Amino acid sequence: DAGITQSPRYKITETGRQVTLMCHQTWSHSYMFWYRQDLGHGLRLIYYSAAADITDKGEVPDGYVVSRSKTENFPLTLESATRSQTSVYFCASLFRGGRDYGYTFGSGTRLTVV
Amino acid sequence: TQLLEQSPQFLSIQEGENLTVYCNSSSVFSSLQWYRQEPGEGPVLLVTVVTGGEVKKLKRLTFQFGDARKDSSLHITAAQPGDTGLYLCAGDRGGSGNTGKLIFGQGTTLQVKP
Repeated sequence: DAGITQSPRYKITETGRQVTLMCHQTWSHSYMFWYRQDLGHGLRLIYYSAAADITDKGEVPDGYVVSRSKTENFPLTLESATRSQTSVYFCASLFRGGRDYGYTFGSGTRLTVV
Repeated sequence: TQLLEQSPQFLSIQEGENLTVYCNSSSVFSSLQWYRQEPGEGPVLLVTVVTGGEVKKLKRLTFQFGDARKDSSLHITAAQPGDTGLYLCAGDRGGSGNTGKLIFGQGTTLQVKP
């Protein structure tokens, strides 16, 4: 199906472990984004990418690493997970079509760090 | 600093009532978007407004962009239980590079009781 696929949907990991969240789009949208959603903080931008091999930090990048070797994939890695990284993570891509403009989000990954 | 303030944060109403959600900022946005998010899913784009003073209608939902492009409102007429969800406004500051990064409001949780 067309769209953005995130995997896994749920993940429990231990403090200190490395974990990678996957994001795949079936279009060829240039811009892709990673957000985390927490109660009281709304959606906060972690990293974004303008194209393959071009990434930049967002509002809360510490403790995260991204890569984008192919346009369709934008994985997010937590190098050494901490409890404060327990959150719901959303990947999104930006579509533009005339006056039509906005994000398409994946269904999210709920990550718990214990 | 929260650049986009949404109000109210929570709203619980009876089916058939009307409601308005506000999204305010002291900053100017090149565009503003509204999303609806259901539990366990990612936000889904409802509308994008670009021109100051613009009004868009989507069935029972009416969206307005302020003349100065600093604020927006979402009005729902005759709310139904299916309207229940988290409503998010998001603004694009635009500017050089036009990265497509959005700033999200904290969201308004709407519950429509039958």
